[in-house]
Amino acid sequence: DTAVSQTPKYLVTQMGNDKSIKCEQNLGHDTMYWYKQDSKKFLKIMFSYNNKELIINETVPNRFSPKSPDKAHLNLHINSLELGDSAVYFCASSQYQQGETQYFGPGTRLLVL
Amino acid sequence: EDQVTQSPEALRLQEGESSSLNCSYTVSGLRGLFWYRQDPGKGPEFLFTLYSAGEEKEKERLKATLTKKESFLHITAPKPEDSATYLCAVNTGGFKTIFGAGTRLFVKA
Repeated sequence: DTAVSQTPKYLVTQMGNDKSIKCEQNLGHDTMYWYKQDSKKFLKIMFSYNNKELIINETVPNRFSPKSPDKAHLNLHINSLELGDSAVYFCASSQYQQGETQYFGPGTRLLVL
Repeated sequence: EDQVTQSPEALRLQEGESSSLNCSYTVSGLRGLFWYRQDPGKGPEFLFTLYSAGEEKEKERLKATLTKKESFLHITAPKPEDSATYLCAVNTGGFKTIFGAGTRLFVKA
């Protein structure tokens, strides 16, 4: 049973296109996250949702729009893709509690040409 | 500004050669320190959570320790399959967790 899953695993697209990445967790957690990992492998938080409510939005261009239809799902839509958006995007989840462990999905490798 | 620094950036060991990875942090308040392992092309895999200075946790050849300013991940008699990137992360309260840049470990048979 996959705890945190993401689709697609790979995404290759042209500049200017719009794309979405989906994330689902079956851990019963109420908090979900999107992270970006750049070419230097540095993980940086983008968004966090708690009970479908946005609680963290870290200086991310408004071309990125997260949506949480329910506690188990958090999707990421990206408009007008740019070359600099190429990276690996990870979804994670945790139970609400300060300092609670986050569990990560396998990642979506986005390449913008 | 809250910061997490890992050293060394890369570590090459012979099989059986024990060593330690360091994670130092300067944060306003520590709510939890996490160690993850990341294999190429995969997501970070949870290893340990430490909450207070003096706490230690072990799993197979790995042992994590925590002081007020840093954490160590000790690797005893490593094997080639321990080769991976090890990430340290700190939660300072709320929902934000700050990651270090990681230590890439290579273990040669």
